[in-house]
Amino acid sequence: DEQLVESGGGLVKPGGSVRLSCAGFGFTFSSYSMSWVRQAPGKGLEWVSSISSASRYVFYADSVKGRFTISRDNAKNSLYLQMHSLRPEDTAVYYCTSRIWGQGTMVTVSS
Amino acid sequence: DIVLTQTPLSSPVTLGQPASISCTSSQSLVHSDGNTYLSWLHQRPGQPPRLLVYKVSTRFSGVPDRFSGSGAGTFFTLKISRVEIEDVGIYYCTQTTQFPVTFGQGTRLEIK
Repeated sequence: DEQLVESGGGLVKPGGSVRLSCAGFGFTFSSYSMSWVRQAPGKGLEWVSSISSASRYVFYADSVKGRFTISRDNAKNSLYLQMHSLRPEDTAVYYCTSRIWGQGTMVTVSS
Repeated sequence: DIVLTQTPLSSPVTLGQPASISCTSSQSLVHSDGNTYLSWLHQRPGQPPRLLVYKVSTRFSGVPDRFSGSGAGTFFTLKISRVEIEDVGIYYCTQTTQFPVTFGQGTRLEIK
């Protein structure tokens, strides 16, 4: 079965950093562009960032540009999101997705 | 940015009856490659979203044929021919024609 598994979330202080990871299983990871999408508690979906299959193109939402960095390692079937200068409004479940979606990892930014 | 507006925001439906959700885009979703990258997602309570339909009308693997997508340009519709209990939750349209990727505000489907 195709599967995406996120990890790396947790409680972070404002201004802190965290790195999210997403591992892909059961499909040709290197063939697909990948994205991070977040969902604040009780809210809708918000696109965060996308990366093309060979990492040639990356895109960011204005709300995270300059603070977050998306990357991937196709040899490890893995996607990453390095998050810096975190703010309380970054608190959300972060999903890794291409066509399928992972279960998500919660990031809470609070002092 | 492309704004996607869904209607209705809430839809009480009787089991076995049809349901329909609309998604209107603030601009055409036709990509320069000729494709229209409008998808529909379903999110059950406490679960991640899952892809139902992509490129307007193509059902994703394993999606029952009671789900169908249609539309063109700026107006799109998701129809459920006969609602089943597992269809409850929130439905989102999303466009990947142009960055930033955007989502509709969501439509909550509930059983009467």
